[in-house]
Amino acid sequence: DSGVTQTPKHLITATGQRVTLRCSPRSGDLSVYWYQQSLDQGLQFLIQYYNGEERAKGNILERFSAQQFPDLHSELNLSSLELGDSALYFCASSPRPGYGQETQYFGPGTRLLVL
Amino acid sequence: GENVEQHPSTLSVQEGDSAVIKCTYSDSASNYFPWYKQELGKGPQLIIDIRSNVGEKKDQRIAVTLNKTAKHFSLHITETQPEDSAVYFCAAKGPPYNNNDMRFGAGTRLTVKP
Repeated sequence: DSGVTQTPKHLITATGQRVTLRCSPRSGDLSVYWYQQSLDQGLQFLIQYYNGEERAKGNILERFSAQQFPDLHSELNLSSLELGDSALYFCASSPRPGYGQETQYFGPGTRLLVL
Repeated sequence: GENVEQHPSTLSVQEGDSAVIKCTYSDSASNYFPWYKQELGKGPQLIIDIRSNVGEKKDQRIAVTLNKTAKHFSLHITETQPEDSAVYFCAAKGPPYNNNDMRFGAGTRLTVKP
């Protein structure tokens, strides 16, 4: 158990809908990362937040957005869902990236199925 | 930005044999190289990591080596066991002034046959 929690574990929805995935980082970790993993694919970096502010952006679609709240939990919002958005979405957290504490600890993931 | 290549994509070994997975990276400023193990239906789990000021690191049956000049690093698993079967990912991260996020390799599916 990494200490990172994600909810829900599974999510089934229809095309065109909007969903919100939630992540609570490890206690004391300031940075949160979101990744997408499609079937038999690698980990695609989406976005990083550090202490409430966006730090880095990867291959995140405009239909997707995220935020990190004052209590450091994060939410990933996926809208106008398409079949191709079906994937595993992972959240990871790290203590203080850039200060020698950049190890990322992954949550168990949210499996999203768009029908 | 950083680009990480990982080989092989699949690896099958007999129990007790060694397994080696290799990765190359493109950004010479990258300074942190973790390895993750992902079992079916679970999130990636950190198994070992190495920083650019170190050439080799060991933890029981697992070791990682880093060649900064050639920009490649490798994971070595000795005396493999069936429970080592999983997908392994390497990653590379640069310093903050480069604003480098963590870049992952495509993964290696390791199968250890009893």
